[in-house]
Amino acid sequence: SYELTQPPSVSVSPGQTARITCSGDALPKKYACWYQQKSGQAPVLVIYEDSKRPSGIPERFSGSSSGTVATLTISGAQVEDEADYYCYSTDSSETSVAFGGGTKLTVL
Amino acid sequence: EVQLVESGGDLVQPGGSLRLSCAASGFTLDSYWMTWVRQAPGKGLEWVANIKQDGGVKHYVDSVRGRFTISRDNAKNSLYLQMNNLGADDTAIYYCARGRIQHDYWGQGTLVTVSS
Repeated sequence: SYELTQPPSVSVSPGQTARITCSGDALPKKYACWYQQKSGQAPVLVIYEDSKRPSGIPERFSGSSSGTVATLTISGAQVEDEADYYCYSTDSSETSVAFGGGTKLTVL
Repeated sequence: EVQLVESGGDLVQPGGSLRLSCAASGFTLDSYWMTWVRQAPGKGLEWVANIKQDGGVKHYVDSVRGRFTISRDNAKNSLYLQMNNLGADDTAIYYCARGRIQHDYWGQGTLVTVSS
């Protein structure tokens, strides 16, 4: 099975920039998505195709990808951005899909 | 309005079977890949399986291959997950989601508990 690796936790103060990384061997060839999940809720798509933002997602959320690492950046993080964030992508053959282990973002 | 509503979750004994359903509305099901994702208590998200629009292509995570079967009935706007030989590690909330990778809509989830 395919594997994506994320840091378990990231902590920033309100207004600071939070960056969450995701490593995977197929990321140079395959797009990554990012999901936000708050406690007790279903996940919400915040970034797709590495850097595109769905409608309704604040502009402070952005994504990028370089080589084997995709990055979710939250510029000027807010307290309401506290959540678990998961990257998600497919292997090079597109037969296996995986979530990263998740990163708990703390904003305080 | 797009809606996905899962059902079928229950308490089941180890080795038992269960069939989950996902009722789709507000969009044309046969235009989208569909996916099942699960989340064990206190754990991260895990991709389980996905299925192409016509049901002709299916993929599974290694841990469920041979035990779980994903299927769909586009005429009934429904997605299914047949789960056999269930074990404690299958205890989780099961979500259905629209799409192959970028899931713009998710259901609220249905809880499967495997315990004696």
